Amino acid sequence: GNSVTQMEGPVTLSEEAFLTINCTYTATGYPSLFWYVQYPGEGLQLLLKATKADDKGSNKGFEATYRKETTSFHLEKGSVQVSDSAVYFCALTNAGGTSYGKLTFGQGTILTVHP
Amino acid sequence: GAGVSQSPSNKVTEKGKDVELRCDPISGHTALYWYRQSLGQGLEFLIYFQGNSAPDKSGLPSDRFSAERTGGSVSTLTIQRTQQEDSAVYLCASSLAGGNQYEQYFGPGTRLTVT
Repeated sequence: GNSVTQMEGPVTLSEEAFLTINCTYTATGYPSLFWYVQYPGEGLQLLLKATKADDKGSNKGFEATYRKETTSFHLEKGSVQVSDSAVYFCALTNAGGTSYGKLTFGQGTILTVHP
Repeated sequence: GAGVSQSPSNKVTEKGKDVELRCDPISGHTALYWYRQSLGQGLEFLIYFQGNSAPDKSGLPSDRFSAERTGGSVSTLTIQRTQQEDSAVYLCASSLAGGNQYEQYFGPGTRLTVT
């Protein structure tokens, strides 16, 4: 079956530091890959996505590249801000007709950014 | 426009009681998903609705769990004879249609505590 493995947290950084959160996956076929973010007291929201190999998703200064050869979708940001403190989830859906778009999530990584 | 709403936001119940959790999806969204977020299991899929039908119930953990959707809109997740391991945040998401090309929008969740 499908699975997503994320870098263990929590991650603590100083403002303006470089961020990488690793994500690798196991899936059949050609899944779509996502990063979701959960800010304190808020619901899950889509941060970025990529639907095919070598696609790069980007949003709010975050980027992730769909690497089929390494089955990875690592999240990066060049300069984090205090407001980026949140829980980040890597996720996938299968392209197959019976997947219905249901998401398989990684375990989440807590990011705390200090001023 | 209005997002996905869920009620109640918090529910404390005694072991053995039944509970009902409600989800109001975004108007016009035909696909609706229930997920559960717990400390031990992370974020996991429970059930998927397309209209009023549930073609994928594979994530329901036991026959104590059931869900229905009426009028292609509101959905109710019912847990009978609650157990302590049912304590979790129950998330609802909706999307324009089922499939990995459609973004899922999440509600704020219902935090269920079974004492």
